[in-house]
Amino acid sequence: GDSVTQMEGPVTLSEEAFLTINCTYTATGYPSLFWYVQYPGEGLQLLLKATKADDKGSNKGFEATYRKETTSFHLEKGSVQVSDSAVYFCALSEDQGAQKLVFGQGTRLTINP
Amino acid sequence: NAGVMQNPRHLVRRRGQEARLRCSPMKGHSHVYWYRQLPEEGLKFMVYLQKENIIDESGMPKERFSAEFPKEGPSILRIQQVVRGDSAAYFCASSPAGNYGYTFGSGTRLTVV
Repeated sequence: GDSVTQMEGPVTLSEEAFLTINCTYTATGYPSLFWYVQYPGEGLQLLLKATKADDKGSNKGFEATYRKETTSFHLEKGSVQVSDSAVYFCALSEDQGAQKLVFGQGTRLTINP
Repeated sequence: NAGVMQNPRHLVRRRGQEARLRCSPMKGHSHVYWYRQLPEEGLKFMVYLQKENIIDESGMPKERFSAEFPKEGPSILRIQQVVRGDSAAYFCASSPAGNYGYTFGSGTRLTVV
């Protein structure tokens, strides 16, 4: 079945450091790919998405590019802030309506001032 | 426009009791999804409902769990005869038809003692 694998956490960085959180996937078709962020005590918020190969999703300084050849969707940010501390989830959906998401296990990110 | 509303935020039940979790979708959203998040894990799909219909319940445990989304009122996730292993965060999400990246509620954290 479909699956998503994220890099193991937790990840701790200093403010203004460069961030990469790796995400690879296994799917039978051509899924849509998502990154969600979960702040403490809250639900998940959609951070960015990409629906086809070579698409780049971006939001709030975060970027991820849909790489079909390496089945990856790595999350990057050039300069992180303390407010970026959260848990980040990579997810995929095989169906056009994104009616069922398959999530990775999440990566906890802590940014120190 | 209020977001997806879940209540209660925290629920404590003794083993063998019933747990009822409520989810009111965003205004205009007719699709509801329930996910479960076990500690330190990603979210796992449970069930997808439209008004008065269960569309996909492939992630629901076969026993003790049920879900409904009546014509009027919130969606309900019911867990009968709870056990310690049911302790988790339960998230509801909603979307209009055919939309990518639906909106999550803040979750109900169920603790079984």
